[in-house]
Amino acid sequence: NAGVTQTPKFRVLKTGQSMTLLCAQDMNHEYMYWYRQDPGMGLRLIHYSVGEGTTAKGEVPDGYNVSRLKKQNFLLGLESAAPSQTSVYFCASSYSDGSRSSYEQYFGPGTRLTVT
Amino acid sequence: AQKVTQAQTEISVVEKEDVTLDCVYETRDTTYYLFWYKQPPSGELVFLIRRNSFDEQNEISGRYSWNFQKSTSSFNFTITASQVVDSAVYFCTLSEFYMNRDDKIIFGKGTRLHILP
Repeated sequence: NAGVTQTPKFRVLKTGQSMTLLCAQDMNHEYMYWYRQDPGMGLRLIHYSVGEGTTAKGEVPDGYNVSRLKKQNFLLGLESAAPSQTSVYFCASSYSDGSRSSYEQYFGPGTRLTVT
Repeated sequence: AQKVTQAQTEISVVEKEDVTLDCVYETRDTTYYLFWYKQPPSGELVFLIRRNSFDEQNEISGRYSWNFQKSTSSFNFTITASQVVDSAVYFCTLSEFYMNRDDKIIFGKGTRLHILP
């Protein structure tokens, strides 16, 4: 039982390049999330998904796209990377009981992305 | 607007001292959830506690305790007899859910706790 895994762990991009971050969970969770963590800013929600085939915007969605084609995977894409996207990215997942309740999130180890 | 304030950016205490981490939140909704997460130096985020807005009971788990007071919109976290392993960044989080609206999840900026041996 691996929990939440993220690929890759580190990446350096040049401005304008694109890349996809992969998040996988084996806990059969409905909800999945992508956050970015910057020094002194806490975590900020980029996008989230409440189930396979659905996505929604979080607090800071600009410059990112996401897809949830399979329940266990949640992909975060950067189409044209910018230095402002240098950050640590965390993926998380959480259980849902079908109601509008909120349960604790399980986080991946993070991806450190540097855009030069 | 929803907001989570952790006014203490950094705290240092000597091992075995008690320490309280403050969390004040703002919301206009009656149904919401509060969480605390720990981020040790290794970087991973670990869940500590979940509270819904209708449950104001305080909770104790070993050396950890939480005081939820709706009247002051606070959800404070106390570590008793602190240990070096408690050194970490601690985040308070607010989650709100609405019918036909996007979910809101707001993290505080965190309190970095140093436990000195």
